[in-house]
Amino acid sequence: AQSVSQHNHHVILSEAASLELGCNYSYGGTVNLFWYVQYPGQHLQLLLKYFSGDPLVKGIKGFEAEFIKSKFSFNLRKPSVQWSDTAEYFCAVNKTGTASKLTFGTGTRLQVTL
Amino acid sequence: EPEVTQTPSHQVTQMGQEVILRCVPISNHLYFYWYRQILGQKVEFLVSFYNNEISEKSEIFDDQFSVERPDGSNFTLKIRSTKLEDSAMYFCASSEAWQASSYEQYFGPGTRLTVT
Repeated sequence: AQSVSQHNHHVILSEAASLELGCNYSYGGTVNLFWYVQYPGQHLQLLLKYFSGDPLVKGIKGFEAEFIKSKFSFNLRKPSVQWSDTAEYFCAVNKTGTASKLTFGTGTRLQVTL
Repeated sequence: EPEVTQTPSHQVTQMGQEVILRCVPISNHLYFYWYRQILGQKVEFLVSFYNNEISEKSEIFDDQFSVERPDGSNFTLKIRSTKLEDSAMYFCASSEAWQASSYEQYFGPGTRLTVT
């Protein structure tokens, strides 16, 4: 069965600090990988996705993630966070080559202070 | 930009009552999904729907749940006899196609269901 682990449950950073949120997955096959963000009071929005090719993917708002197959990881990074990045971040996977169900991690709440 | 919409935003119901949650997927999308998030827990898959039938469902999606696409635009989730543990945020999502170049699922804003 698929599973996703997000080790950081709550992260507090000052503005301009660098961000790295961990995501590890377990799945008996190749996967599509996603990071979704949920701003307070808003719906889930896609930050970035990996299907194949270059393991370093760039998303919206300056976010990027690197797929490391040997580590089953897809960590999210941003060099300099802004107060507006305060949100909950979810890593998700599904079976590669399909639009099958997403399996989500538990989420990481990011709080950026001024 | 096209978006998935859901109604109502908040539904309060008594235990044992039936509820119907409504979703309008993005118009050219063919795959539809329901997920739920119990407060403080992860987002969980309930069911996926394609070509007027269920394509996949989770263990959560028991006989109390059903889905329907009654009119070609709405996609509904019915809970026949609600339980306290059904209280959650329910998200609808849609996807363009199974083998499209993009497998992104677009999510709606959610319906918060409170069962009392």
